[in-house]
Amino acid sequence: AQSVTQLDSQVPVFEEAPVELRCNYSSSVSVYLFWYVQYPNQGLQLLLKYLSGSTLVESINGFEAEFNKSQTSFHLRKPSVHISDTAEYFCAVSDLGKGGKLIFGQGTELSVKP
Amino acid sequence: EAGVAQSPRYKIIEKRQSVAFWCNPISGHATLYWYQQILGQGPKLLIQFQNNGVVDDSQLPKDRFSAERLKGVDSTLKIQPAKLEDSAVYLCASSLGPEPGGELFFGEGSRLTVL
Repeated sequence: AQSVTQLDSQVPVFEEAPVELRCNYSSSVSVYLFWYVQYPNQGLQLLLKYLSGSTLVESINGFEAEFNKSQTSFHLRKPSVHISDTAEYFCAVSDLGKGGKLIFGQGTELSVKP
Repeated sequence: EAGVAQSPRYKIIEKRQSVAFWCNPISGHATLYWYQQILGQGPKLLIQFQNNGVVDDSQLPKDRFSAERLKGVDSTLKIQPAKLEDSAVYLCASSLGPEPGGELFFGEGSRLTVL
């Protein structure tokens, strides 16, 4: 069975500081990997995803994540965060052979302070 | 393009009462999901529909939860009777199809409080 572990439940950082949100997964088969973001009072939105090819994937707002198969990790990073990045971030996996359903981690609350 | 619509946004009921949530997916999306998100946890899949057929309901507590998508468009999730541990946000999501790797589009959720 697949599982996703997000190692930090809360990450407080100051504006313009770098941040890393950690995600590890467990699966016996190949998976696709995702990061979703939930801003306050909004639904979950896709931030970025890894399907194949380059192991480094980027979002339009400066986040990036690197797929590391040997460490079964998909950590999310941003070199300089903004107040508007304050949100809850969810890592998720999808089994290549079992439809489009996602298995989510517990979430990491990113709080950016001025 | 309209997003995934859910109602009601908030519902407070007493234990043993019943409740129903409604979801209207993005037009043209064949696949619909219901997730349960308990406070402090990630979303957990309850049921996945492909058009009006059930693809996966392995984690749906079938003694009290039911869901339907009769015409392959909107969907209803019902809980009867509700328990205290059903307090959660119920998320509806849709995607074009069931292929792995596709983007899921989520509604804002229906927050249930069971007293």
